[in-house]
Amino acid sequence: AQKVTQAQTEISVVEKEDVTLDCVYETRDTTYYLFWYKQPPSGELVFLIRRNSFDEQNEISGRYSWNFQKSTSSFNFTITASQVVDSAVYFCALWNRDDKIIFGKGTRLHILP
Amino acid sequence: EPEVTQTPSHQVTQMGQEVILRCVPISNHLYFYWYRQILGQKVEFLVSFYNNEISEKSEIFDDQFSVERPDGSNFTLKIRSTKLEDSAMYFCASSQHLREGADTQYFGPGTRLTVL
Repeated sequence: AQKVTQAQTEISVVEKEDVTLDCVYETRDTTYYLFWYKQPPSGELVFLIRRNSFDEQNEISGRYSWNFQKSTSSFNFTITASQVVDSAVYFCALWNRDDKIIFGKGTRLHILP
Repeated sequence: EPEVTQTPSHQVTQMGQEVILRCVPISNHLYFYWYRQILGQKVEFLVSFYNNEISEKSEIFDDQFSVERPDGSNFTLKIRSTKLEDSAMYFCASSQHLREGADTQYFGPGTRLTVL
């Protein structure tokens, strides 16, 4: 079965703190892709990153970084020096050869000023 | 930067009425999708569409739903007889390629459907 689990339903941190959003996935396939999307209060889904199953190199983009570990089936997302504008719901998602993306339930992140 | 657009942004309808949600995918994309998100819940796949036919659909996508690409730019989702539980945000998405690996699906801003 394919499944994405985001165990953290809601997180609150004070601005400038670092925060890590957890994502654990399940899939039978050896070829798959993982995504993170951001959903700000306005409701749209904003693409953040795509990572394929053969590339375990961690990625950094500004204050965002992603840690992909196949051994633990995890694809965690860290925001460094968080800002109020980072407040949103963040979805981790999985694609594996079906014509669809499977989303986790999302983590609602509150950055407090 | 090209983007997926959706109209209307908010649709209110009476139960039992038909609604058509419209999407204009990114122009050079070949694969189109509809997802829905019931308020406060996760995003769920409805259907994917390629080469003028459905390539995959979920159990949610029953006979009340249909999709169409009526011209070279629009991609529509029709709900024939809306139910209260169809109230949700509906997202359209498009991508360039699929079979070579999951090309990124870019999402539109969504249409919020409210069924009264």
